[in-house]
Amino acid sequence: EPEVTQTPSHQVTQMGQEVILRCVPISNHLYFYWYRQILGQKVEFLVSFYNNEISEKSEIFDDQFSVERPDGSNFTLKIRSTKLEDSAMYFCASSEVVFTDTQYFGPGTRLTVL
Amino acid sequence: AQTVTQSQPEMSVQEAETVTLSCTYDTSESDYYLFWYKQPPSRQMILVIRQEAYKQQNATENRFSVNFQKAAKSFSLKISDSQLGDAAMYFCAYRRGETSGSRLTFGEGTQLTVNP
Repeated sequence: EPEVTQTPSHQVTQMGQEVILRCVPISNHLYFYWYRQILGQKVEFLVSFYNNEISEKSEIFDDQFSVERPDGSNFTLKIRSTKLEDSAMYFCASSEVVFTDTQYFGPGTRLTVL
Repeated sequence: AQTVTQSQPEMSVQEAETVTLSCTYDTSESDYYLFWYKQPPSRQMILVIRQEAYKQQNATENRFSVNFQKAAKSFSLKISDSQLGDAAMYFCAYRRGETSGSRLTFGEGTQLTVNP
């Protein structure tokens, strides 16, 4: 069964450093998403992406964040200058372009900012 | 804005018994979708079941079923014949239906413990 994959599984970085989280969505999916889950809290939407542009973003997704589809398979989330409060689990998801689309999640990347 | 509320932070059930997890939501939309996702200790988000708001029939997936009460804006998950592998955090989620690619809004989660 096709699945969303994410790398790395765990990323440790120093405050102020840039990180890039990578995702490979399901191959026939065209909508891509990033969500964040701070430990012990609910899952929060960050951004959705379709046709090489952001289709929706939350108030969390400020100028330090960016997304990109650099090639035909990868979807990345870049955090330009990490803060302690960026420590969280980051989930990538993808869905087909139909009204009934269900979002399928990757296993997540645990980001630890020291 | 849509909100999703799970009022039970923790629930427990005996193996082989039945448990119901509650979820309520608030929306002014008429077209939307509701989901239950399971998050085991590995923290991966796994889809359990989906309900379309326009369907009156409650969704079922093997031992998992929902009780969808549209007027009451309630969407509970029933797990029958509970198994040890069902132990996880369960999240209820909402998505508006008028366009593709809409964000999911999650509830706070219910931690389910299954006792042998």
